[in-house]
Amino acid sequence: GAVVSQHPSRVICKSGTSVKIECRSLDFQATTMFWYRQFPKQSLMLMATSNEGSKATYEQGVEKDKFLINHASLTLSTLTVTSAHPEDSSFYICSARPIIGKETQYFGPGTRLLVL
Amino acid sequence: GNSVTQMEGPVTLSEEAFLTINCTYTATGYPSLFWYVQYPGEGLQLLLKATKADDKGSNKGFEATYRKETTSFHLEKGSVQVSDSAVYFCALSDGSEKLVFGKGTKLTVNP
Repeated sequence: GAVVSQHPSRVICKSGTSVKIECRSLDFQATTMFWYRQFPKQSLMLMATSNEGSKATYEQGVEKDKFLINHASLTLSTLTVTSAHPEDSSFYICSARPIIGKETQYFGPGTRLLVL
Repeated sequence: GNSVTQMEGPVTLSEEAFLTINCTYTATGYPSLFWYVQYPGEGLQLLLKATKADDKGSNKGFEATYRKETTSFHLEKGSVQVSDSAVYFCALSDGSEKLVFGKGTKLTVNP
C-alpha cells in the first residue's frame, strides 16, 4: 500500500538553529503534500499545502519565512524550521496525495521536534 | 469556519466491549466525513469515510453513520480487540483538499 516516510523521527536542537524535516512518498507520486503540526492533546493543524514545482500555500497565521517548504520532486517535500525556538517544539506530520486516487491522503509517522 | 469536536479520551475498555467515540461537526454545505486511526509509531490511516447524509462507512468492524440532522459521525464497534488500541481522529473535508481534524481520542483495550 501507499507508504509515506518522514525523517528524522525525532530531533533535538538548540535554540537559533535550523532543522530540516523530509517527507517522502515511497511507492507513489504525489503532486500535493501537506504539512501539519500537532500540539499535545490538540488537533492536527494544517500549516501549509505543498505543490510540486510551485510555491507552498500557507495557512493563516503560519509564517512562511519561519517554516520553509520545498517540494522539489513528485516524491519529496521538505519542511525547514528556521531559527528554531522552544515554542516551535511540536509534532510535525506530513501527508501526501497521490496523482491517482486524489481523494485520499496518506500520512507519515510524524517528527517530534524539541528545541532547547 | 469548519470544526470537529470529538469525545475526549482516554478511553479504556476490556476486550469484547462495545465502543462508541462521539464526533460532531460544524460546517457549511455538505462536507465529507472521515475517521482516521493512528497505531503506535505509525502514521494516520484512513479507517472509514462517508460522503453524504445517511451514508454509513464501515471497515474492520467499525461503523459510522453520517447524520446531518444531528451533525454527527459517531464511531462504533460491537466488540473491540486489543489490537484496536490506537488514537482515533474524526475529520471533515468541505470539498477542498484540506482536512479539519478533531483532537483525537486514545483508546486502550485490555485483555
